[in-house]
Amino acid sequence: GDSVTQMEGPVTLSEEAFLTINCTYTATGYPSLFWYVQYPGEGLQLLLKATKADDKGSNKGFEATYRKETTSFHLEKGSVQVSDSAVYFCALSGSQGNLIFGKGTKLSVKP
Amino acid sequence: EAQVTQNPRYLITVTGKKLTVTCSQNMNHEYMSWYRQDPGLGLRQIYYSMNVEVTDKGDVPEGYKVSRKEKRNFPLILESPSPNQTSLYFCASSDRGGGDTQYFGPGTRLTVL
Repeated sequence: GDSVTQMEGPVTLSEEAFLTINCTYTATGYPSLFWYVQYPGEGLQLLLKATKADDKGSNKGFEATYRKETTSFHLEKGSVQVSDSAVYFCALSGSQGNLIFGKGTKLSVKP
Repeated sequence: EAQVTQNPRYLITVTGKKLTVTCSQNMNHEYMSWYRQDPGLGLRQIYYSMNVEVTDKGDVPEGYKVSRKEKRNFPLILESPSPNQTSLYFCASSDRGGGDTQYFGPGTRLTVL
Protein backbone atom coordinates (compact mmCIF):
# COMPACT_ATOMS: atom_id res chain seq x y z
CA GLY A 1 0.00 0.00 0.00
CA ASP A 2 0.86 3.66 -0.12
CA SER A 3 3.38 4.82 2.46
CA VAL A 4 5.60 7.71 3.52
CA THR A 5 9.08 7.49 4.97
CA GLN A 6 10.71 10.50 6.55
CA MET A 7 13.96 10.92 8.37
CA GLU A 8 13.93 10.06 12.04
CA GLY A 9 14.54 12.76 14.53
CA PRO A 10 15.13 14.52 16.65
CA VAL A 11 16.98 17.13 14.65
CA THR A 12 18.75 19.86 16.60
CA LEU A 13 20.03 22.96 14.82
CA SER A 14 21.38 26.34 15.75
CA GLU A 15 19.44 29.43 14.75
CA GLU A 16 20.07 30.48 11.13
CA ALA A 17 21.23 27.00 10.12
CA PHE A 18 20.01 25.31 6.94
CA LEU A 19 17.30 22.70 7.36
CA THR A 20 16.56 19.63 5.28
CA ILE A 21 14.08 16.96 6.31
CA ASN A 22 13.99 14.08 3.87
CA CYS A 23 10.73 12.50 2.77
CA THR A 24 10.15 9.73 0.25
CA TYR A 25 6.92 8.06 -0.69
CA THR A 26 5.46 4.97 -2.29
CA ALA A 27 2.18 5.35 -4.13
CA THR A 28 0.35 3.59 -6.94
CA GLY A 29 -1.34 6.69 -8.34
CA TYR A 30 -0.52 10.39 -8.46
CA PRO A 31 -1.09 11.66 -4.96
CA SER A 32 -0.87 15.17 -3.63
CA LEU A 33 1.97 15.68 -1.17
CA PHE A 34 1.92 17.72 2.01
CA TRP A 35 4.01 18.94 4.89
CA TYR A 36 2.14 19.53 8.11
CA VAL A 37 3.60 21.10 11.25
CA GLN A 38 2.61 20.46 14.85
CA TYR A 39 3.68 23.03 17.42
CA PRO A 40 3.81 21.91 21.06
CA GLY A 41 0.36 21.27 22.49
CA GLU A 42 -1.43 22.06 19.24
CA GLY A 43 -3.07 20.24 16.35
CA LEU A 44 -1.52 19.86 12.93
CA GLN A 45 -1.60 22.69 10.46
CA LEU A 46 -0.75 22.69 6.80
CA LEU A 47 2.69 24.10 6.04
CA LEU A 48 2.76 23.56 2.29
CA LYS A 49 1.56 21.23 -0.42
CA ALA A 50 2.11 20.22 -4.03
CA THR A 51 -0.45 18.53 -6.22
CA LYS A 52 1.56 17.33 -9.21
CA ALA A 53 5.06 16.48 -10.32
CA ASP A 54 7.59 19.34 -10.37
CA ASP A 55 5.29 21.59 -8.34
CA LYS A 56 7.04 23.52 -5.59
CA GLY A 57 5.15 24.28 -2.42
CA SER A 58 6.36 27.15 -0.27
CA ASN A 59 5.31 28.95 2.89
CA LYS A 60 7.03 30.88 5.70
CA GLY A 61 10.45 30.34 4.10
CA PHE A 62 9.96 26.57 3.80
CA GLU A 63 10.02 24.88 0.41
CA ALA A 64 9.51 21.40 -1.00
CA THR A 65 9.45 20.15 -4.59
CA TYR A 66 7.40 17.19 -5.80
CA ARG A 67 9.96 14.91 -7.46
CA LYS A 68 8.24 12.04 -9.22
CA GLU A 69 11.45 10.54 -10.57
CA THR A 70 12.91 10.12 -7.08
CA THR A 71 9.52 9.84 -5.29
CA SER A 72 10.62 12.52 -2.87
CA PHE A 73 9.29 15.69 -1.26
CA HIS A 74 12.12 16.99 0.91
CA LEU A 75 11.46 19.97 3.16
CA GLU A 76 14.04 22.78 3.19
CA LYS A 77 14.53 26.13 4.84
CA GLY A 78 17.52 28.35 4.40
CA SER A 79 17.67 29.86 7.87
CA VAL A 80 15.72 28.38 10.76
CA GLN A 81 14.47 30.30 13.77
CA VAL A 82 13.75 29.21 17.32
CA SER A 83 10.06 29.60 16.52
CA ASP A 84 10.37 26.80 13.92
CA SER A 85 10.81 24.24 16.69
CA ALA A 86 8.02 21.74 16.13
CA VAL A 87 7.24 18.29 14.78
CA TYR A 88 7.05 18.08 10.98
CA PHE A 89 4.99 15.47 9.16
CA CYS A 90 5.22 14.52 5.53
CA ALA A 91 1.99 13.10 4.09
CA LEU A 92 0.36 12.00 0.88
CA SER A 93 -3.28 11.87 -0.15
CA GLY A 94 -4.70 8.36 0.08
CA SER A 95 -7.38 6.67 -1.98
CA GLN A 96 -9.95 7.02 0.82
CA GLY A 97 -9.60 10.78 0.90
CA ASN A 98 -7.33 10.38 3.89
CA LEU A 99 -3.81 11.50 4.56
CA ILE A 100 -1.08 8.90 4.94
CA PHE A 101 1.55 10.29 7.27
CA GLY A 102 5.19 9.66 7.94
CA LYS A 103 6.16 9.18 11.56
CA GLY A 104 7.17 12.78 12.07
CA THR A 105 10.48 14.57 12.65
CA LYS A 106 10.99 16.66 15.74
CA LEU A 107 13.01 19.80 15.13
CA SER A 108 14.62 21.78 17.93
CA VAL A 109 16.29 25.09 17.12
CA LYS A 110 18.68 26.52 19.69
CA PRO A 111 19.41 30.25 19.97
CA GLU B 1 -13.12 32.04 12.31
CA ALA B 2 -12.79 28.75 10.42
CA GLN B 3 -12.07 26.01 12.89
CA VAL B 4 -12.44 22.42 14.04
CA THR B 5 -13.29 22.01 17.70
CA GLN B 6 -12.98 18.93 19.85
CA ASN B 7 -14.18 18.19 23.35
CA PRO B 8 -12.94 17.27 25.80
CA ARG B 9 -9.28 18.23 25.35
CA TYR B 10 -8.17 15.88 28.12
CA LEU B 11 -9.88 12.82 29.52
CA ILE B 12 -8.86 10.17 32.01
CA THR B 13 -11.23 7.22 32.29
CA VAL B 14 -11.34 3.58 33.31
CA THR B 15 -11.56 0.42 31.25
CA GLY B 16 -15.06 -0.30 29.97
CA LYS B 17 -16.68 3.06 30.67
CA LYS B 18 -18.29 4.32 27.47
CA LEU B 19 -17.18 7.73 26.27
CA THR B 20 -17.74 10.10 23.38
CA VAL B 21 -15.35 12.67 21.95
CA THR B 22 -17.14 15.36 20.02
CA CYS B 23 -15.91 17.07 16.87
CA SER B 24 -17.47 20.02 15.10
CA GLN B 25 -16.44 22.11 12.09
CA ASN B 26 -17.84 25.41 10.84
CA MET B 27 -16.53 25.33 7.27
CA ASN B 28 -19.36 23.32 5.67
CA HIS B 29 -16.87 20.58 4.80
CA GLU B 30 -18.15 17.30 3.44
CA TYR B 31 -15.21 15.14 4.50
CA MET B 32 -14.40 14.48 8.15
CA SER B 33 -12.16 11.95 9.79
CA TRP B 34 -10.56 10.83 13.02
CA TYR B 35 -6.89 10.03 13.56
CA ARG B 36 -4.93 8.75 16.49
CA GLN B 37 -1.34 9.76 17.12
CA ASP B 38 1.03 7.42 18.93
CA PRO B 39 4.77 7.80 19.55
CA GLY B 40 6.82 6.23 16.79
CA LEU B 41 3.74 5.49 14.68
CA GLY B 42 2.71 8.93 13.45
CA LEU B 43 -0.97 9.51 12.73
CA ARG B 44 -3.30 6.72 11.63
CA GLN B 45 -6.84 7.13 10.40
CA ILE B 46 -9.58 5.51 12.48
CA TYR B 47 -12.78 6.36 10.57
CA TYR B 48 -13.84 8.81 7.92
CA SER B 49 -17.03 10.24 6.49
CA MET B 50 -17.60 11.49 2.97
CA ASN B 51 -20.90 13.14 3.86
CA VAL B 52 -23.92 12.91 6.13
CA GLU B 53 -24.84 9.29 6.90
CA VAL B 54 -21.80 8.02 4.94
CA THR B 55 -19.01 6.62 7.10
CA ASP B 56 -16.29 4.04 6.52
CA LYS B 57 -13.40 2.38 8.30
CA GLY B 58 -9.89 3.74 8.16
CA ASP B 59 -6.74 1.85 9.02
CA VAL B 60 -7.36 1.23 12.74
CA PRO B 61 -11.14 1.09 13.36
CA GLU B 62 -11.28 -1.69 15.97
CA GLY B 63 -12.89 -0.55 19.22
CA TYR B 64 -14.34 2.66 17.79
CA LYS B 65 -17.65 3.83 16.38
CA VAL B 66 -18.68 7.02 14.64
CA SER B 67 -21.81 8.66 13.35
CA ARG B 68 -22.52 11.55 10.97
CA LYS B 69 -26.07 12.74 11.43
CA GLU B 70 -25.27 16.37 10.71
CA LYS B 71 -22.72 17.80 8.34
CA ARG B 72 -20.85 19.76 10.98
CA ASN B 73 -20.52 17.05 13.66
CA PHE B 74 -18.60 13.80 13.70
CA PRO B 75 -18.40 12.24 17.18
CA LEU B 76 -16.03 9.39 18.04
CA ILE B 77 -17.47 6.77 20.36
CA LEU B 78 -15.55 4.28 22.46
CA GLU B 79 -18.16 1.86 23.79
CA SER B 80 -15.77 -0.13 25.99
CA PRO B 81 -12.42 1.63 26.17
CA SER B 82 -9.27 -0.36 26.86
CA PRO B 83 -5.78 0.78 27.86
CA ASN B 84 -4.47 0.29 24.31
CA GLN B 85 -6.75 3.13 23.26
CA THR B 86 -4.74 5.56 25.34
CA SER B 87 -3.63 8.03 22.71
CA LEU B 88 -3.87 11.54 21.28
CA TYR B 89 -6.88 11.88 18.98
CA PHE B 90 -7.39 14.39 16.21
CA CYS B 91 -10.47 15.23 14.22
CA ALA B 92 -9.96 16.68 10.74
CA SER B 93 -12.15 18.08 7.99
CA SER B 94 -11.79 19.14 4.37
CA ASP B 95 -13.94 19.95 1.36
CA ARG B 96 -13.72 16.51 -0.20
CA GLY B 97 -10.62 14.84 1.23
CA GLY B 98 -7.90 13.70 -1.14
CA GLY B 99 -5.76 16.59 -2.32
CA ASP B 100 -7.76 19.17 -0.39
CA THR B 101 -6.18 20.79 2.64
CA GLN B 102 -7.30 19.10 5.82
CA TYR B 103 -7.97 21.19 8.91
CA PHE B 104 -7.23 19.62 12.26
CA GLY B 105 -8.75 20.11 15.67
CA PRO B 106 -6.56 20.79 18.71
CA GLY B 107 -6.53 17.17 19.84
CA THR B 108 -7.96 15.12 22.70
CA ARG B 109 -5.54 13.36 25.01
CA LEU B 110 -7.23 10.21 26.30
CA THR B 111 -5.90 8.00 29.07
CA VAL B 112 -7.64 4.71 29.81
CA LEU B 113 -6.66 3.15 33.13
